[in-house]
Amino acid sequence: GNSVTQMEGPVTLSEEAFLTINCTYTATGYPSLFWYVQYPGEGLQLLLKATKADDKGSNKGFEATYRKETTSFHLEKGSVQVSDSAVYFCALTGDNFNKFYFGSGTKLNVKP
Amino acid sequence: GAVVSQHPSWVICKSGTSVKIECRSLDFQATTMFWYRQFPKQSLMLMATSNEGSKATYEQGVEKDKFLINHASLTLSTLTVTSAHPEDSSFYICSGQGQGLGEQYFGPGTRLTVT
Repeated sequence: GNSVTQMEGPVTLSEEAFLTINCTYTATGYPSLFWYVQYPGEGLQLLLKATKADDKGSNKGFEATYRKETTSFHLEKGSVQVSDSAVYFCALTGDNFNKFYFGSGTKLNVKP
Repeated sequence: GAVVSQHPSWVICKSGTSVKIECRSLDFQATTMFWYRQFPKQSLMLMATSNEGSKATYEQGVEKDKFLINHASLTLSTLTVTSAHPEDSSFYICSGQGQGLGEQYFGPGTRLTVT
């Protein structure tokens, strides 16, 4: 079956630190992979995505590379800001984008 | 990008009453809409999938008589929580998927508190 596993949080970093949030997946077929961000009291916003192996998704300084050989899609950012504090969800979906499988979410706290 | 709105953003109701949550796609036609539930500090769990004009398909363990979903038009889906109880208190998020759009676009969520 399909599932997503994320590192547990919270992750607390100082401003300008390097961020990695690990995400691994189990899937049948060829899933598309996503990172969503949820700010306090808000819904999910798409941060980035990758639809095939070796694709790199990037947005707002965040990056993630679709690694089929390690079934991973780790989120990275070179220098985090206080405004990046949020909960980050890794997710996958199948060919028809119908059913999303979400990881448990990782809360990021960035301190000034 | 495509925008999905939800109304209300926050609702408090008394135990035993029903509450309706609306989900609208503002700038695209959502042929399929999804309803998720998010418990505090946990991930989103898909409750049901609805296609315009058809009955919703519920995930295993979700009571369809308690969570009534209607998708009457290509821009509106509603979730009615019937005879609400405190354990139904949660954050409910909808998403819409348009024909050919591929990905889902998520609404901002509705926080339901049942007292």
